[in-house]
Amino acid sequence: GAVVSQHPSRVICKSGTSVKIECRSLDFQATTMFWYRQFPKKSLMLMATSNEGSKATYEQGVEKDKFLINHASLTLSTLTVTSAHPEDSSFYICSALGGTSGAPDTQYFGPGTRLTVL
Amino acid sequence: GENVEQHPSTLSVQEGDSAVIKCTYSDSASNYFPWYKQELGKRPQLIIDIRSNVGEKKDQRIAVTLNKTAKHFSLHITETQPEDSAVYFCAASITGGGNKLTFGTGTQLKVEL
Repeated sequence: GAVVSQHPSRVICKSGTSVKIECRSLDFQATTMFWYRQFPKKSLMLMATSNEGSKATYEQGVEKDKFLINHASLTLSTLTVTSAHPEDSSFYICSALGGTSGAPDTQYFGPGTRLTVL
Repeated sequence: GENVEQHPSTLSVQEGDSAVIKCTYSDSASNYFPWYKQELGKRPQLIIDIRSNVGEKKDQRIAVTLNKTAKHFSLHITETQPEDSAVYFCAASITGGGNKLTFGTGTQLKVEL
């Protein structure tokens, strides 16, 4: 299998609040997951690599204290946007590496979470 | 780090025609090249991929070619249909080297009736 889910699909929050997004691999175990951000009509920008049981690795320019990532199990990674501001509004997509039907280097994507910060 | 360039940014074809999207990459260590299709507001879906040990791969109406020497790879869609309309992204990564994907900028394909 290679099914990845995300929750919520859409969230609207007030400026200054924190939002948690969940990414789950439903039918396979994923030791590695990735978090991306996508602006309208733009490409996917890698934010961080999430490894089960260890600290996430953030890409250059991504604030690790603002985008908290936890990968506590082989099927769940969470991204928490802390003290969200309007500029954090975006489409956040996760992916999981592997899957039982794919090669170990293939990434399968979740459906994305549309975050709007008012 | 890796840099992936993708062309064209938009492509309009008539139904039944072929469409070709081209990408170039900079890191010669990259060895895995997937192509994703993304419809508006949806997840990217893997449509085909190729590894550096082969030069061409085909799956029904979709084919991908890879030229390692020139560091470029292309997506070919034959007999296009309206449902092929979407944004297509190429990407590159190093298997075992973190497996981080670097994406191209995307191509908006429109198949007109």
